Amino acid sequence: DAGITQSPRHKVTETGTPVTLRCHQTENHRYMYWYRQDPGHGLRLIHYSYGVKDTDKGEVSDGYSVSRSKTEDFLLTLESATSSQTSVYFCAIRGWTPDTYNEQFFGPGTRLTVL
Amino acid sequence: GQQVMQIPQYQHVQEGEDFTTYCNSSTTLSNIQWYKQRPGGHPVFLIQLVKSGEVKKQKRLTFQFGEAKKNSSLHITATQTTDVGTYFCASNTGNQFYFGTGTSLTVIP
Repeated sequence: DAGITQSPRHKVTETGTPVTLRCHQTENHRYMYWYRQDPGHGLRLIHYSYGVKDTDKGEVSDGYSVSRSKTEDFLLTLESATSSQTSVYFCAIRGWTPDTYNEQFFGPGTRLTVL
Repeated sequence: GQQVMQIPQYQHVQEGEDFTTYCNSSTTLSNIQWYKQRPGGHPVFLIQLVKSGEVKKQKRLTFQFGEAKKNSSLHITATQTTDVGTYFCASNTGNQFYFGTGTSLTVIP
């Protein structure tokens, strides 16, 4: 168990409002990731972090920002939510041993609906 | 970025039938990982393949990595209702991971 939690688990919001999703881990893992999952698109990387205040963009980063001010929390912000950002959002951490380094351990997900 | 295409998108099988999902890339992959996501759940890592032509088995599941390291397959023998879910392939380049579109498996009892 990688000890990953996500909050909120469900959220309904309106177009144009800001939204922040939180990913929390308890074991000081270095790498954290945000993905969105949509039918027909699988999982697509939004942003990832490789340390405190160190982040980089993924393939679908437009409209999203992230912050990591402490090791255990990785925040995903939608500055002005749009209906196209309705999705299920998963946080993940990267494996921390040589055998698991290319594994992704996922949190339970957040279902976001933008009306 | 790296593109990993996966087919089919959906597959319905009778319990006891076999099932195969395929991943293809236009570029050579350094590795391929496979995940399973149960309905309503999150993806869970199954296995990683890294060598050309590699074959690995987990009970009724057989994973293959192509000789050119551009394709991979997951084969399930004699499906059971517990196999229901979506199967994803993935690969990483450095710190970035790229997932296939997934194959949703339905098993009809």
